[in-house]
Amino acid sequence: NAGVMQNPRHLVRRRGQEARLRCSPVKGHSHVYWYRQLPEEGLKFMVYLQKENIIDESGMPKERFSAEFPKEGPSILRIQQVVRGDSAAYFCASSPKDTSYGYTFGSGTRLTVV
Amino acid sequence: AQSVTQLGSHVSVSEGALVLLRCNYSSSVPPYLFWYVQYPNQGLQLLLKYTSAATLVKGINGFEAEFKKSETSFHLTKPSAHMSDAAEYFCAVSGNSGGSNYKLTFGKGTLLTVNP
Repeated sequence: NAGVMQNPRHLVRRRGQEARLRCSPVKGHSHVYWYRQLPEEGLKFMVYLQKENIIDESGMPKERFSAEFPKEGPSILRIQQVVRGDSAAYFCASSPKDTSYGYTFGSGTRLTVV
Repeated sequence: AQSVTQLGSHVSVSEGALVLLRCNYSSSVPPYLFWYVQYPNQGLQLLLKYTSAATLVKGINGFEAEFKKSETSFHLTKPSAHMSDAAEYFCAVSGNSGGSNYKLTFGKGTLLTVNP
């Protein structure tokens, strides 16, 4: 009965490289959410996905960031041409319904841009 | 629109003392309210949640919180602090019906230090 699995736990990228963050939801959960935690800040909503659909991406930066949740496989958060300001912890959560009531969070991916 | 204010970015208590972490929220719809704990370099663990049932909510590790609508507050308490309670605590709110009730809005967090 695995929880939300995120990998890698730590990721170091040079400026201009691409970062790919993966999230496997709890088995049976079809709703995935990504949040970003900047230093000394709370978590901020980025995007909400269901299988093959982006439901709400209102928290995603307009450029360089994209997310997907394919029919098969994990959800992917992709950051192109990373900059220092992208350094943060990125958390994924999943739920069985479209509600915050049943969230389960993963342990996060800590991205460092050097 | 929703927002959360956590009063005090850093709270320090002695082992065995009362823990009180403050959270005030703003919500245009009846809220769901949550407290999460984050240990260093780890993810968020749910401590407790209010979902419009009992106003006094009991959670894990001896924590509890009381929903006070008139004060728009959801303060977290524990009668006796333990060294293992040292962590960062986040209060969060979402709507509980329709709209974007899937989206959590977090406070900035309170770092709890427990002194021996």
